[in-house]
Amino acid sequence: DGGITQSPKYLFRKEGQNVTLSCEQNLNHDAMYWYRQDPGQGLRLIYYSQIVNDFQKGDIAEGYSVSREKKESFPLTVTSAQKNPTAFYLCASSIVLGHGGNADTQYFGPGTRLTVL
Amino acid sequence: GEDVEQSLFLSVREGDSSVINCTYTDSSSTYLYWYKQEPGAGLQLLTYIFSNMDMKQDQRLTVLLNKKDKHLSLRIADTQTGDSAIYFCAENLRNYGGSQGNLIFGKGTKLSVKP
Repeated sequence: DGGITQSPKYLFRKEGQNVTLSCEQNLNHDAMYWYRQDPGQGLRLIYYSQIVNDFQKGDIAEGYSVSREKKESFPLTVTSAQKNPTAFYLCASSIVLGHGGNADTQYFGPGTRLTVL
Repeated sequence: GEDVEQSLFLSVREGDSSVINCTYTDSSSTYLYWYKQEPGAGLQLLTYIFSNMDMKQDQRLTVLLNKKDKHLSLRIADTQTGDSAIYFCAENLRNYGGSQGNLIFGKGTKLSVKP
């Protein structure tokens, strides 16, 4: 059963703590993405990765960090430097990135809702 | 940067047709997408259209593309209460780079279907 999984579904964090959100895919996709969604704001890109051991900052990378040590996994760490981390976080993947064709189509995981207490 | 515009809300009665509109900015976009998001869930790919097509039909869904006006629409025939969701339009930038990535999303249209 192929797809993208994110865990946990709900996450609570105290102010000043770092937390890591998990994203795993078994679709054999090269590219992976992290988005943040706030009400009425649509999706904003945090980080993306075209291939293992490579990643680029998106529009709102400040206060976040990522790693891409394995093709299947793209964890996102929300650091204490992120001023307003309460949001819904979405991970996505695509076969490739930047070919301009259908292989760029992104498929999404179910999301993680992070709440800072 | 590039921008995708959608109206934020649409309300229809069950059984009517819904039309959700979108305008995009990159005339060289190769693919344009419609995603559906139900409450508390991720985005589900509904359909997409290649830029050399004017129309694509898939069961109750019809996508119309006007490249001259950079206008994309999604028509849902016989709208049901289960169609209530947020619908996102997205364009695939041919010449992406930097912090925008390659897919630019609109802010989403919330469709409410009244019985």
